[in-house]
Amino acid sequence: TQLLEQSPQFLSIQEGENLTVYCNSSSVFSSLQWYRQEPGEGPVLLVTVVTGGEVKKLKRLTFQFGDARKDSSLHITAAQPGDTGLYLCAEPLTDSWGKLQFGAGTQVVVTP
Amino acid sequence: SAVISQKPSRDICQRGTSLTIQCQVDSQVTMMFWYRQQPGQSLTLIATANQGSEATYESGFVIDKFPISRPNLTFSTLTVSNMSPEDSSIYLCAGGSSYNEQFFGPGTRLTVL
Repeated sequence: TQLLEQSPQFLSIQEGENLTVYCNSSSVFSSLQWYRQEPGEGPVLLVTVVTGGEVKKLKRLTFQFGDARKDSSLHITAAQPGDTGLYLCAEPLTDSWGKLQFGAGTQVVVTP
Repeated sequence: SAVISQKPSRDICQRGTSLTIQCQVDSQVTMMFWYRQQPGQSLTLIATANQGSEATYESGFVIDKFPISRPNLTFSTLTVSNMSPEDSSIYLCAGGSSYNEQFFGPGTRLTVL
């Protein structure tokens, strides 16, 4: 089982600023998922990236998958308080169908 | 996607007692999972709930402490037995799709006194 490293662990910014969070591994990802967990709720799937170099956009969120599929980033433009939450990356385990390996998460706080 | 509900949403329990958490999915999912999470931290998988058979537990988790049932494709329960304060946590149920994506319930926040 490979280790998913997320950075930073914690990020506090003002409304309107941009932010980027990262998910890295020493091994190649089969695919990678990003989840956001708002306070008091369960994680919600934002996106799945599969192809090296892939870029996906979801409103103000931009997801990139590295060319070598060993890293991924999530960039938020003009952050809003509603973006506050725990951002988790996750990879399907190849030897255990349906199971996911989660990173430690990045806690993002956006203040008005 | 699937909509997943859990109950109770929170509970405060006494040491030595047991609590059963229910998870209901609005559509058939291929897999169901139970996780534990400390606030602000990542998820730890407890077990995979298998329909009509014993759950598959992860290292560090045992059936006597966390018995799990899944009588059909859309319902599962997790019991936290003989609780201690160390069991205080958020317990989450998730349904897995055939694309390896998971859909989570809102969680059950458990406090053991």
